[in-house]
This record gives sequence, C-alpha cells and structure tokens, in this order.
Amino acid sequence: EVQLLESGGGLVQPGGSLRLSCAASGFTFSTYAMSWVRQAPGKGLEWVSAIVARGGKTYYADSVKGRFTISRDSSKNTVYLQMNSLRAEDTAVYYCAKDHDQCSGGGCYTTFGEPGFDYWGQGALVTVSS
Amino acid sequence: DIVMTQSPDSLAVSLGERATINCKSSRSVLHSSNNKNYFAWYQQKPGQPPKLLIYWASTRESGVPDRFSGSGSGTDFTLTISSLQAEDVAVYYCQQYLSTPLTFGQGTRLEIK
Repeated sequence: EVQLLESGGGLVQPGGSLRLSCAASGFTFSTYAMSWVRQAPGKGLEWVSAIVARGGKTYYADSVKGRFTISRDSSKNTVYLQMNSLRAEDTAVYYCAKDHDQCSGGGCYTTFGEPGFDYWGQGALVTVSS
Repeated sequence: DIVMTQSPDSLAVSLGERATINCKSSRSVLHSSNNKNYFAWYQQKPGQPPKLLIYWASTRESGVPDRFSGSGSGTDFTLTISSLQAEDVAVYYCQQYLSTPLTFGQGTRLEIK
C-alpha cells in the first residue's frame, strides 16, 4: 500500500525557516518524481515544487523560488522541502504528492507530474505568524 | 503560465441527475508529439487531500466509478458525473501538467440540490 506521511509543520514567525519531510512507502521511490502542493486556508491548490526521480533536477513556482529547496534521499525514501524566509502568504497545508507514472529512460532525469498525482499525503499545516 | 479557469464556481444538482463542470486553459495543453492532452481532474472532500479522478483528459483512474467521465481537447475540457450520488459532494479541480509551473483551476464546489 502506497503511503506518504508528511511531518515538520508548525507555527513559525515571518522570516523564519521550517523543513517539511515526506516519508514514502509502498512503491519504488527512486523511480517516481515527487512534488509539493499547498493549499492556503479555504483556498485552492497551488503547485510549489518538484524533484525528478533521478539526478536531482528541481522545479519551483515563482512564488517560492530562491526561498524553498526541495530534495530527496532515496536511502530513506523521503522527500524534503526546506522553507526559508517564510512569509504570511506561505501559510497553508502542504501536501507531498507522487507522480502517477513510473519514470523511464531519460525522463527519469527531466520529467515530473505525468500524468497527474495519484497519491497524496494527508498534509502538514504551516502557519507563518508573529 | 497556463491559466486554468473553471465554470461554474459552484453547482447544485439533484441526486441522480447529471453534473457538468467545465475547465478552459489559456493555451492548448495538447502535446503535438504524442497527441495527448496533459490534463487531469481531481476531487477533494473536506479535510482530505485531493484524489485523482481523470488523467490524459479522459482516462479514468483505477477505482473511480464509471459515472465520472472526462472529455475535451486543446483548451476546453469537461468533467461529467452522469448520476450524482451523495458521496460526490466535493470540490473539483482541473490541472494541466504540460508545462511548468503546473497549474490548477480555482475549483468548483458541487452540492446536492
């Protein structure tokens, strides 16, 4: 059974830092790209960042570029989101999500998000407030 | 960025009736190399993460009831629930995965009339 378990959320002051973790199980972690998607209270979904299955290539939304860093550790089957210089507008539930399709060939080094996200964690709440 | 616009924002349908949600993308999400629409639909119930319903615009995800269907191509897409059930009350989101940043529609809230 596929499971994604986020941790590391909490209350942080503006300008502070937080690191989210997403522990994955039930699938071959090293063959799937992973993403973080967030949802502000009462709002819609916003894709935040992705990391491909192999090689470490990363992608970011403009709203977090330069402040957030995604990484993965295949020895621990875990994906991380390091969040620095946090702002009030970063307040949201952060979900990690798994690509539907296993990567193949060169796509393992470049591709993510195809075709959609088939498993999501339960989410980690990040509140940025003084 | 590709902007995804859903309509309507909210919808109330009687049990057993058809529900239709539309999504328009600001540019085509049809990939010329493989003739696939890089488009998905999700369902989100209160307090839960989103659930993938449809991908490649019309492929139903495993385990999704066949009353859910997706159609459309290029820039215009539709999610149809053929016979609304009580458990279908949720917010529905469309998404494109053709280009970065991946983008979602604003959501359509579906309720029982």
